[in-house]
Amino acid sequence: EAQVTQNPRYLITVTGKKLTVTCSQNMNHEYMSWYRQDPGLGLRQIYYSMNVEVTDKGDVPEGYKVSRKEKRNFPLILESPSPNQTSLYFCASSSGLQRSSYNSPLHFGNGTRLTVT
Amino acid sequence: AQSVTQPDIHITVSEGASLELRCNYSYGATPYLFWYVQSPGQGLQLLLKYFSGDTLVQGIKGFEAEFKRSQSSFNLRKPSVHWSDAAEYFCAVGAPSGANNLFFGTGTRLTVIP
Repeated sequence: EAQVTQNPRYLITVTGKKLTVTCSQNMNHEYMSWYRQDPGLGLRQIYYSMNVEVTDKGDVPEGYKVSRKEKRNFPLILESPSPNQTSLYFCASSSGLQRSSYNSPLHFGNGTRLTVT
Repeated sequence: AQSVTQPDIHITVSEGASLELRCNYSYGATPYLFWYVQSPGQGLQLLLKYFSGDTLVQGIKGFEAEFKRSQSSFNLRKPSVHWSDAAEYFCAVGAPSGANNLFFGTGTRLTVIP
């Protein structure tokens, strides 16, 4: 089954304790992206990656890191989490930005709810 | 810069009634437009999209949307709502140069009452 898998689904941590949220897709997609969802703000893009070893900042990258060492994985790293990073995080992937893939929708994971105390 | 406005935070409709969710966008050229639906505890699922051509687009689950350039709108409609349509709906805009870098609206939560 084609899917984007995020882990964990729920995470409670304390300020300053490094954490990683994993994201893996099994569709051989080139494009992957991280969003955070906050009430009243919708989804805001954190980082995206157009291919292996190619990453770029989205709208709200501060306090986050990503890496894309393999095509299927795109982990989100919070080196020193703070309470304002408490949010619902979504990973998404699609087959890319080329014109031929414009009909390819974003596939979303089921989300990771992070609480930083 | 692109932006998307969904003026209705929460809408309640009766089952069987018609539905229209509003979306206005701001973009210098004709954007790529999307509607996504998020069921509780789930990720987002694409309902429909508009890239070019016919301004009335059909999507899954009986939804349709109409692109109106003059009003910068891309409203989502359904003639008869089912209880299973209760969810949060997001309008999104993408630049043609990077359609998968989407800017999302703040969402409209739909409640369906029997």
